[in-house]
Amino acid sequence: ETGVTQTPRHLVMGMTNKKSLKCEQHLGHNAMYWYKQSAKKPLELMFVYSLEERVENNSVPSRFSPECPNSSHLFLHLHTLQPEDSALYLCASSQDHGGGSGELFFGEGSRLTVL
Amino acid sequence: ILNVEQSPQSLHVQEGDSTNFTCSFPSSNFYALHWYRWETAKSPEALFVMTLNGDEKKKGRISATLNTKEGYSYLYIKGSQPEDSATYLCAFTMEYGNKLVFGAGTILRVKS
Repeated sequence: ETGVTQTPRHLVMGMTNKKSLKCEQHLGHNAMYWYKQSAKKPLELMFVYSLEERVENNSVPSRFSPECPNSSHLFLHLHTLQPEDSALYLCASSQDHGGGSGELFFGEGSRLTVL
Repeated sequence: ILNVEQSPQSLHVQEGDSTNFTCSFPSSNFYALHWYRWETAKSPEALFVMTLNGDEKKKGRISATLNTKEGYSYLYIKGSQPEDSATYLCAFTMEYGNKLVFGAGTILRVKS
């Protein structure tokens, strides 16, 4: 139990569906992150939120839309995805403001399959 | 483009063997180097965060060293156990506020 919870753990969706991934952290951290892991590729940073403000958008297509309503919750809204978006989506949090010296606490990930 | 290289890609060892992996990163404008262990069906877990050249950190049978001038870090596991089987990730960042760039990881399998 890392203190970071992701739901759902598995999601199958069609290309025309709209769905959301949810992340919640119980650690009192200030920064939250979405990472993508595609098969046989390194973890790829998608978005960083620090104190509920987006501080990094790593050239992610607009079909992925993040939302951070408060410092404990982070969502990733998905719409009109492509099959190549199938991947493991990991949420993480850290104490520092995305500075890089604080360790990341990860959730267990949401495995997304786009048909 | 920042590149973090990890070697080897995978490693199979016998229980009791000691092993080590390498993480290579750009040596300019170094800020921090992270090591994570990622067991199957679990979340990645931080092992070490290292910031100073020459740093050595230890946690039980696992230790890590850092050379920021030449751009590498070693992770050592002494007396490998089956429960050490996991993917070991390193990640690097330049300057405060920059994103962490992850390597592809080293997959370790320890046979009993």
